[in-house]
Amino acid sequence: QEKVQQSPESLIVPEGAMVSLNCSFSDSASQSIWWYQQHPGKGPKALISIFSNGNKKEGRLTVYLNRASLHVSLHIKDSQPSDSAVYLCAVTRYGSSGNKLIFGIGTLLSVKP
Amino acid sequence: GGIITQTPKFLIGQEGQKLTLKCQQNFNHDTMYWYRQDSGKGLRLIYYSITENDLQKGDLSEGYDASREKKSSFSLTVTSAQKNEMAVFLCASSTGGGSDYTFGSGTRLLVI
Repeated sequence: QEKVQQSPESLIVPEGAMVSLNCSFSDSASQSIWWYQQHPGKGPKALISIFSNGNKKEGRLTVYLNRASLHVSLHIKDSQPSDSAVYLCAVTRYGSSGNKLIFGIGTLLSVKP
Repeated sequence: GGIITQTPKFLIGQEGQKLTLKCQQNFNHDTMYWYRQDSGKGLRLIYYSITENDLQKGDLSEGYDASREKKSSFSLTVTSAQKNEMAVFLCASSTGGGSDYTFGSGTRLLVI
């Protein structure tokens, strides 16, 4: 059974800080890794995904994937109060009966003005 | 753009009651999902469906039924609500390739 673990559980940073969130997964056969953002009272919203080893940059977001160490990280540059949310790491598993996302518990980020 | 709509937004039920949650999407996505979100436990998959009339059990299917009578809709039934149960149920849809999951805003359940 795939396990997805995230750290830290929560994080408080000042506005403008660089934020680093970590995620480890248990199965090297996992396919795409996704990061989702969830604001209170809303559903998760997809931010960025990565499939291949290495890094991927989109705007203020950079994600790094190391399949050998089963680790992925998300970095948010120049954090803003509007970035305050829960960040969920999820891995896609493909199977004969369809695809599914397996989620970690999440990291609660608070960016203070 | 498309939208995924969950109804009701809030649901208060009584212990032992059968409760039904509904989800509609207009993305024309093949696959739909029901997840349960509890504080401190993340999202756990209850049921999913890869096409109309298909049902697949997730890790948390016990105590639930699901129905996919149309491609655009997916409903979830709590067969017997448990007292003091409190959770958010999230519906999602995706293309058959499994990319770009889109989530609804959730149904918040409280059982008294």
